[in-house]
Amino acid sequence: AQKVTQAQTEISVVEKEDVTLDCVYETRDTTYYLFWYKQPPSGELVFLIRRNSFDEQNEISGRYSWNFQKSTSSFNFTITASQVVDSAVYFCALSDALDQTGANNLFFGTGTRLTVIP
Amino acid sequence: AAGVIQSPRHLIKEKRETATLKCYPIPRHDTVYWYQQGPGQDPQFLISFYEKMQSDKGSIPDRFSAQQFSDYHSELNMSSLELGDSALYFCASSSGLVGYNEQFFGPGTRLTVL
Repeated sequence: AQKVTQAQTEISVVEKEDVTLDCVYETRDTTYYLFWYKQPPSGELVFLIRRNSFDEQNEISGRYSWNFQKSTSSFNFTITASQVVDSAVYFCALSDALDQTGANNLFFGTGTRLTVIP
Repeated sequence: AAGVIQSPRHLIKEKRETATLKCYPIPRHDTVYWYQQGPGQDPQFLISFYEKMQSDKGSIPDRFSAQQFSDYHSELNMSSLELGDSALYFCASSSGLVGYNEQFFGPGTRLTVL
């Protein structure tokens, strides 16, 4: 069964600090996809990144970076030089590889609420 | 670029009433997913459709039903509403291409059951 664990329920940092959000996943599949979504107070889900299980390269996008470690089943997300606008709930999610139907739902972690204090 | 459209954005109902939520996927997307996010919770998968056929089923109550129409839009029908059904309901769409599974989420419908 698929499971995503985000052990950090809430994190508070002061603006300009770096912060890492942890994500640990479980799956029996050898092919799977990992995601991070941001949910600001307005409620929408904003897609941040998708990573497939065969690509362990770390990725950097501006102030955001992701560290995928298959050996520890972790897909951590780091925000450098945090800003007040980064305040949101961040969800890590897991999806199986596509099957014949072409549809696969996302399994979400419980989310980490990040508060960036000015 | 066109995004996923959900209507209505907000809905208030009384207990035991019915509600219908609509989702219009991104053009040329053939897959639709429904998720329910209770207050302070993570989104939970309800049901999905691929090419107008039910693809997968999650924790959807028997009081709920859904379908995908010929134009690929989807409707989630909820009957005998309970207080616990108050939640944010997300629809997402994707293109069922092998090896690519990015789901684009709509803005959500906030349902309040009084």
